[in-house]
Amino acid sequence: DAGITQSPRYKITETGRQVTLMCHQTWSHSYMFWYRQDLGHGLRLIYYSAAADITDKGEVPDGYVVSRSKTENFPLTLESATRSQTSVYFCASRDTGGAYNEQFFGPGTRLTVL
Amino acid sequence: AQRVTQPEKLLSVFKGAPVELKCNYSYSGSPELFWYVQYSRQRLQLLLRHISRESIKGFTADLNKGETSFHLKKPFAQEEDSAMYYCALKRGGGADGLTFGKGTHLIIQP
Repeated sequence: DAGITQSPRYKITETGRQVTLMCHQTWSHSYMFWYRQDLGHGLRLIYYSAAADITDKGEVPDGYVVSRSKTENFPLTLESATRSQTSVYFCASRDTGGAYNEQFFGPGTRLTVL
Repeated sequence: AQRVTQPEKLLSVFKGAPVELKCNYSYSGSPELFWYVQYSRQRLQLLLRHISRESIKGFTADLNKGETSFHLKKPFAQEEDSAMYYCALKRGGGADGLTFGKGTHLIIQP
């Protein structure tokens, strides 16, 4: 049972380049989320999705684009990367029927923008 | 908008001493509160949720609506408790994500 995976685990890119971070879950959870983790800020929600083809902005969506054509995948794209987007990115998923709304997190992708 | 405050960035205690990690929140509705933990080189995982009123690894947390707090407590700290702890809030209902505090780095000294 792979659970929730992210790829790549590490990425170095240059300012202005497009980067896509992948997230895949095997549980068929309806809800999926993207967070970024920065020192001094904790985790902040970028985008979330309630189901395939349904996405919504979180707290810090600027500079990011998401899509969800399939339930199990939720890619996050930085259309033109900036240094301020250097961060650790976490994907998470949650079941709709869960009694306690527990989110399950992926291992994270460490992105460096030079 | 909702907010979660963890006033301590770093908390260092000796093994066997009591631990209390503070969490305060602001939200006008009825929130769901969680504690997540991130051990070194591991992914973030759920530790406690207020709705279940459980004790996990000796930790407890009580939601105090009057003080808008959800402090995490353990009577006797163990070295394996060293980790990053995040308090998080979810607005009641809906598909939206969690609002996290900035986290407290707990170090248990031998």
